[in-house]
Parts: sequence; C-alpha cells; structure tokens
Amino acid sequence: DADVTQTPRNRITKTGKRIMLECSQTKGHDRMYWYRQDPGLGLRLIYYSFDVKDINKGEISDGYSVSRQAQAKFSLSLESAIPNQTALYFCATGGVVNTGELFFGEGSRLTVL
Amino acid sequence: AQSVTQLDSQVPVFEEAPVELRCNYSSSVSVYLFWYVQYPNQGLQLLLKYLSGSTLVESINGFEAEFNKSQTSFHLRKPSVHISDTAEYFCAVSYIGGGSEKLVFGKGTKLTVNP
Repeated sequence: DADVTQTPRNRITKTGKRIMLECSQTKGHDRMYWYRQDPGLGLRLIYYSFDVKDINKGEISDGYSVSRQAQAKFSLSLESAIPNQTALYFCATGGVVNTGELFFGEGSRLTVL
Repeated sequence: AQSVTQLDSQVPVFEEAPVELRCNYSSSVSVYLFWYVQYPNQGLQLLLKYLSGSTLVESINGFEAEFNKSQTSFHLRKPSVHISDTAEYFCAVSYIGGGSEKLVFGKGTKLTVNP
C-alpha cells in the first residue's frame, strides 16, 4: 500500500458543486501539504499544516479550504468548484527532519465542467 | 520573492546521448535543493537532493547534480540517457530558516528520450 493515499484519483464535476479531496498517510509525519499542478506552471502550494491545530495558506488558497482531521488525514475542499480549478492535485507529507523534502501521493485529477 | 527557474520547458534527446536540465534559484540565504521526477500518470518521486557536504550528488539511476552557490544553480545531468528516463523533472528549493518547511518548485522540464 502507498504511504500517501489520495481519494478520489479522478473526479469530474460541474461548476458550483462542492468537492472534497482526501489524503491519508501512514508515514507518521506531522507536516502535510496540498499542491496543485497545471501544465507549464509546475506545482503551486495551496495549503499546508504542521499539526492538527495548525493550518497555513499557501500561494493560491483562494477558493479552497482544508481540514486536518487527524495527524494522518488532511482533506482539501472546493466549496463551489469553477472550471479554472481543473487540475491535478497532490497531497504530500514532510519528513521528520525538516529539510523541506516531501513525499507525494499519486495525485487526484479533477475536472470541473 | 523566492523563485526557481528551469530554463527549458522541453528537452528532446536521442537515446544514449548526454543531457543537462538547468535549474537556477533566487536566494540570499542558505538552501536545500531537490530534483523530483514525475513519470507519466504518476506522482512525484525524489530523484536526488543536496542538504550539505559534497556539492555533487548522485542518484541510483545515473543522474547527478552539482550545487553551485556562486551561480545559484543546481543543474541535473546524465551522461547517457535511456528511453525509460522520459519524464518530467522538477527542481525545488527549500529556504533554510523561515520558510524551510515549504518547497518552491520550478515549472518543470519535460525530457523526451527518442530511439
């Protein structure tokens, strides 16, 4: 089983719908992240969390919210999806030694029609 | 602002040819440096990293990268590529002290190895 698991792996939805992407990890890491990948733009940070009570905005947090339900679970929500949120979303965890090294899930491909 | 620049968005090469993927970063502080690889339809995997010590770091599949502090660069090289190296490669930087918890990524370089 993967150390960082994302569900769903693929989702097609309509404009205005609420969507939740879930991430769980078995690595025992405290730090968790949500990134968005768009062709030609690389990865951009949406939100990150250092523990259950700590949530921080990244560079592109508008239109998104997160919940850290437990050390191992970090979900990303789109309250009212719009087409320009169509992207590949990655969850990642940070290692015990704080070097910035990340461990990624397989990604969740979201299409908003 | 902290930024990472990958100078080439696409690099096509023939099998067994050498390749260099370029990465430059902006910084006035110490950094940790990473190269990640993304094979088609997969997530990102760490390829190699520089944390401290020798400025030349190597991966298990023949890639190497050299940290050049004066030029703020961390270029990735391989002397002879294989078809299986076809992937997208991302350079990433972690700024030490105030922000080291976040990686800043370049926009990626798509390496295509042709027979």
